[in-house]
Amino acid sequence: DSGVTQTPKHLITATGQRVTLRCSPRSGDLSVYWYQQSLDQGLQFLIQYYNGEERAKGNILERFSAQQFPDLHSELNLSSLELGDSALYFCASSPLGDRGWDEQFFGPGTRLTVL
Amino acid sequence: GNSVTQMEGPVTLSEEAFLTINCTYTATGYPSLFWYVQYPGEGLQLLLKATKADDKGSNKGFEATYRKETTSFHLEKGSVQVSDSAVYFCALLYSSASKIIFGSGTRLSIRP
Repeated sequence: DSGVTQTPKHLITATGQRVTLRCSPRSGDLSVYWYQQSLDQGLQFLIQYYNGEERAKGNILERFSAQQFPDLHSELNLSSLELGDSALYFCASSPLGDRGWDEQFFGPGTRLTVL
Repeated sequence: GNSVTQMEGPVTLSEEAFLTINCTYTATGYPSLFWYVQYPGEGLQLLLKATKADDKGSNKGFEATYRKETTSFHLEKGSVQVSDSAVYFCALLYSSASKIIFGSGTRLSIRP
């Protein structure tokens, strides 16, 4: 158990809908990272937040957005969903900022299925 | 552009066999290189890393050496165990740009 929790574990929705995925980092970790893992695109980094502010942006679509709240939990919002958005979405946390890549703890993921 | 290429899986070996999973990269400058492991039903775990040429990363019996001349970072283990069955990802990171790029992953299955 990494100490990172993600909810829900599974989510099934329809095209055009909007969903919110939630991540609670390990206690004390200031950085949160979001990743998408799909059969088509493989594993991709989406975005990083550090202490409430966006720190790095990867291949995140404009239909997707994220935020990190004062209690450090983070939410990933996916809107106007398409079939291709079906994937496993991972969250990771780190106590580090810029060097957080060296020490990340991954959650179990949320599996999103878009029908 | 920058990219990471891993050997295609799945790779199936018998217990105690020698393992090599090839990883090559295309990049400008001096990225850091990582190997991550994903066990069934779990998120990724950092297995090992190397931040400059000729560095050797090692962990849990796995090793990989950052070879700039061949742009490679092959993962090796001398004697695999059934518990090593997982998907392994090679990754490249530019710290300055905060960009990480993953390979496609290699599924490893170890037979008892």
